[in-house]
Amino acid sequence: EIVLTQSPDFQSVTPKEKVTITCRASQSIGSSLHWFQQKPDQSPKLVIKYASQSISGVPSRFSGSGSGTDFTLTINSLEAEDAATYYCHQSSSLPDSFGQGTKLEIK
Amino acid sequence: QVQLQESGPGLVKPSQTLSLTCTVSGGSISSSDYYWSWIRQPPGKGLEWIGYIYYSGSTYYNPSLKSRLTLSVDTSKNQFSLKLSSVTAADTAVYFCARVFPGGTFDFWGQGTLVTVSS
Repeated sequence: EIVLTQSPDFQSVTPKEKVTITCRASQSIGSSLHWFQQKPDQSPKLVIKYASQSISGVPSRFSGSGSGTDFTLTINSLEAEDAATYYCHQSSSLPDSFGQGTKLEIK
Repeated sequence: QVQLQESGPGLVKPSQTLSLTCTVSGGSISSSDYYWSWIRQPPGKGLEWIGYIYYSGSTYYNPSLKSRLTLSVDTSKNQFSLKLSSVTAADTAVYFCARVFPGGTFDFWGQGTLVTVSS
């Protein structure tokens, strides 16, 4: 089973800051890494697919990069509505797995 | 726009079977382009993938749940279902259903339903 490890677990940031969340896979997964945003009492929302592909309707301040074992989600010019927990997900090999989550707090 | 809606009992007794159904609207569950999935999230914790089912009935289960898990599909009702047997308090979670494209990820999700295992 592929283990995904996110860092940090928690981050407190101010609006307009740039935020970087990382996800490291225990073995190479190519580009089969996806990012979700989950707000309290909501279902997760896909924000980046296949490491760097944008999603229709998701603000352009969200971007992703990486391949193999190391991946990054970047949020440029953070807005208050970006407060959420972010999860990475790998679909390279079964069983699918998720990172433990990164909670983003807006100061 | 595809919509998914989970339904089922919110309370299940220990050792019994948890049963949930996901109803899909705005699209056909018989599409060859997608799989259908269940994911769960214990209160205050992260996401756990449960399994996939294809409209043909092919399934892929999380090995950690495989011995207790059955996924099924009813194309006539545009629904797919989950049965998890011999539940314990550790199975208490919000259960989500979702659509997934092969080799990809979950693009549409249900709102989730909380299932509590308690006597």
